[in-house]
Amino acid sequence: DSGVTQTPKHLITATGQRVTLRCSPRSGDLSVYWYQQSLDQGLQFLIQYYNGEERAKGNILERFSAQQFPDLHSELNLSSLELGDSALYFCASGTDEQFFGPGTRLTVL
Amino acid sequence: AQSVAQPEDQVNVAEGNPLTVKCTYSVSGNPYLFWYVQYPNRGLQFLLKYITGDNLVKGSYGFEAEFNKSQTSFHLKKPSALVSDSALYFCAVRANTGGFKTIFGAGTRLFVKA
Repeated sequence: DSGVTQTPKHLITATGQRVTLRCSPRSGDLSVYWYQQSLDQGLQFLIQYYNGEERAKGNILERFSAQQFPDLHSELNLSSLELGDSALYFCASGTDEQFFGPGTRLTVL
Repeated sequence: AQSVAQPEDQVNVAEGNPLTVKCTYSVSGNPYLFWYVQYPNRGLQFLLKYITGDNLVKGSYGFEAEFNKSQTSFHLKKPSALVSDSALYFCAVRANTGGFKTIFGAGTRLFVKA
């Protein structure tokens, strides 16, 4: 158990819809990272927050947004969903090495 | 720009034999280098890291990795493979200056045959 929690485990929705994925980092970690893992794209870094502030941005679409709250949990919002957004979404926390949550499997029908 | 290459999609090895999973990187400045393992339907697990110091780094489950600055490589090794080592392995790099992004390689699937 990495200490990072993610909810929900599975999410099935339709194209055009909006969903929110939630992550709680390990106790004491100020950084939260979001990744998308799909079969054809591998593990793609989306965005990093540190103590509530955006710190680094990767290949995150404009339809996607994230935030980190004062209690350090983070949410990833995905809107106007497309079939190609179906993937595993991971959250991680840590300073150097990262500790990954179990992921949220998103299926867009 | 940072980049990581894992040149092999899959590595096959017999149980008890040594294994090597290759990784090369490109980064400005001195690198922070990591190996992670992913088992089916699980998140990635940290195996080991190189930040500074001894070029040979030891990690979890008997794995080790050797940092080679001249070849910009960080290959993962284990002297004797187990069937339970079969999994997806990711190499990752982060520069220790400037940005904070960690870039992951495409992954190498290790298959250990009994």
